[in-house]
Amino acid sequence: EVQLVESGGGLIQPGGSLRLSCAASGFTFSDYAMNWVRQAPGKGLEWVSSISGSGTTIYYADSVKGRFTISRDTSKNTLSLHMNSLRVEDTAVYSCAKAASRGGGTFDIWGQGTMVTVSS
Amino acid sequence: EIVLTQSPGTLSLSPGERATLSCRASQTVSNNYLGWYQQKPGQTPRLLIYGASRRATGIPDRFSASGSRTDFTLTISRLEPEDFAVYYCQQYANSPYTFGQGTKLEIK
Repeated sequence: EVQLVESGGGLIQPGGSLRLSCAASGFTFSDYAMNWVRQAPGKGLEWVSSISGSGTTIYYADSVKGRFTISRDTSKNTLSLHMNSLRVEDTAVYSCAKAASRGGGTFDIWGQGTMVTVSS
Repeated sequence: EIVLTQSPGTLSLSPGERATLSCRASQTVSNNYLGWYQQKPGQTPRLLIYGASRRATGIPDRFSASGSRTDFTLTISRLEPEDFAVYYCQQYANSPYTFGQGTKLEIK
């Protein structure tokens, strides 16, 4: 069974840092691009970042560029999101999503998400 | 950045009726790299449609979609009680991979 399980969320003060992880199973991790998507409470979906299957191509939303870093560890089948300089507006449920191909594509499998709350 | 605008914001219909949801892009979505997702309260989004018109695995055939370039449509032919949810379109042609703001399909 294809599965994505996020962890690492929590309550953090503005300006702080947090690292999210996404454990992947049930598929050949390196064969697919991976993504982070967030959803603020009561709001819509916002794409955050993508990384290709090889890890060589990375994209960020303007809202997180320079503050967030996406990475992947094929040996551990794990996707990560390092978040620095967190702001109140970064508060959201963060979900990882598998793309349909190595280079990208539609998001065909989603994790359940981990909540990040940025508040003083 | 490609901005996706979904309409209507809320659609009130009864089970058995036909639903038509629209997604308009601010510029051409190349290769018809447009998807539709369904999200129910407290659940993760579920992929319904990819490539503008192709049903994802396991999606009932009452869901269909069409469109190209800047105008896309999701149609649910006969609404079932489990279809009432929020629907999002997304373009994955160019970064940033933007989502529409969503259409809430509610029971009338």
